[in-house]
Amino acid sequence: GESVGLHLPTLSVQEGDNSIINCAYSNSASDYFIWYKQESGKGPQFIIDIRSNMDKRQGQRVTVLLNKTVKHLSLQIAATQPGDSAVYFCAEAYGGSQGNLIFGKGTKLSVKP
Amino acid sequence: EPEVTQTPSHQVTQMGQEVILRCVPISNHLYFYWYRQILGQKVEFLVSFYNNEISEKSEIFDDQFSVERPDGSNFTLKIRSTKLEDSAMYFCASATGRLAGEETQYFGPGTRLLVL
Repeated sequence: GESVGLHLPTLSVQEGDNSIINCAYSNSASDYFIWYKQESGKGPQFIIDIRSNMDKRQGQRVTVLLNKTVKHLSLQIAATQPGDSAVYFCAEAYGGSQGNLIFGKGTKLSVKP
Repeated sequence: EPEVTQTPSHQVTQMGQEVILRCVPISNHLYFYWYRQILGQKVEFLVSFYNNEISEKSEIFDDQFSVERPDGSNFTLKIRSTKLEDSAMYFCASATGRLAGEETQYFGPGTRLLVL
């Protein structure tokens, strides 16, 4: 599992560069994964999701990669913009549950203009 | 675009008092959730609700907590006797269903609860 506390991993990128945010998930039975973006003082905002029968899914400027062998999830953001600055959470769920999401600790993305 | 809304945005209460946090899920959604986030920590699942009953709850969701869907639009979380450690951001979420393509949970803006 991941530790909790006040210190989030931070990724600092230059505007226009690509960002890659990584996440290790905990349950090998999880079959649904989702990335959320959370800006300060706001609720988690859906970015993209992927089911376990896929290893890649693309959205607008975002791509999620899933590696079930090593229980790893990544979020790639192309041409990162200042508005992308936020904390990014991965979350997992497994089919036997009623959909309750298990969130990771989060990564803070900081975009330098 | 439809959104989940929550009221109040902030709530300050004395320890031992009851609080009710309110949520209006997206109108055609059938699955409802409460999560909480203690400052600086992960978002944690509290409870899921479907067809007017609790589907699943976490260890956090003890006898002091209850949920209700009093009418066709509201979904509430009640904390019967608040403790200092209940201070957190509380998020409501809703989803259309549980099948592929329906299960995306959309979150509200949260209610920040401070127990003094």
